[in-house]
Amino acid sequence: EDQVTQSPEALRLQEGESSSLNCSYTVSGLRGLFWYRQDPGKGPEFLFTLYSAGEEKEKERLKATLTKKESFLHITAPKPEDSATYLCAVQAESGGYQKVTFGTGTKLQVIP
Amino acid sequence: DTEVTQTPKHLVMGMTNKKSLKCEQHMGHRAMYWYKQKAKKPPELMFVYSYEKLSINESVPSRFSPECPNSSLLNLHLHALQPEDSALYLCASSQGNTGTDTQYFGPGTRLTVL
Repeated sequence: EDQVTQSPEALRLQEGESSSLNCSYTVSGLRGLFWYRQDPGKGPEFLFTLYSAGEEKEKERLKATLTKKESFLHITAPKPEDSATYLCAVQAESGGYQKVTFGTGTKLQVIP
Repeated sequence: DTEVTQTPKHLVMGMTNKKSLKCEQHMGHRAMYWYKQKAKKPPELMFVYSYEKLSINESVPSRFSPECPNSSLLNLHLHALQPEDSALYLCASSQGNTGTDTQYFGPGTRLTVL
């Protein structure tokens, strides 16, 4: 069974204090790994798709990396507006369908 | 444009009511999804439509009935729901579902069943 584990569950940072969120996964035949940001009561907002180990993508203060077993979301000099829950999801083939499995998320709070 | 729209934003219904949730996308995507999300939990897949045909039903109770009238629209018909069905219902779409296709989510409908 595909498994996605995110850590930590919650993270509290001072504004400007860089850190990383972790997403470890166990899947057969990874097709892609996704990062989303979700604000309370709203739908997940797409951030990145990573396809293969060694791949990196950046967007503003965020940088996502991928290895064969895990992905990291690095947040450089975060601002209060970066506060949200960050969801990781993996896509793998399951019976002809590309099933997406979500992790339980990391709730990030950035304090001014 | 990567916008998926959902209506209504909020819905309160009694256990004997019939209501519908609507989802629309104009990105030319051929796969559309319904997810259910409870507080502090990740989204749970309910249904997948691929090229307007239902391809996945994740053992969802029959009180939830999906419908895909055309490639841009997805409905979720609700009937005789239970209070435990209260949740955020999310619609998503992707180019297809046979490759690595990013799913784009709508803002969700917050459903409360009394």
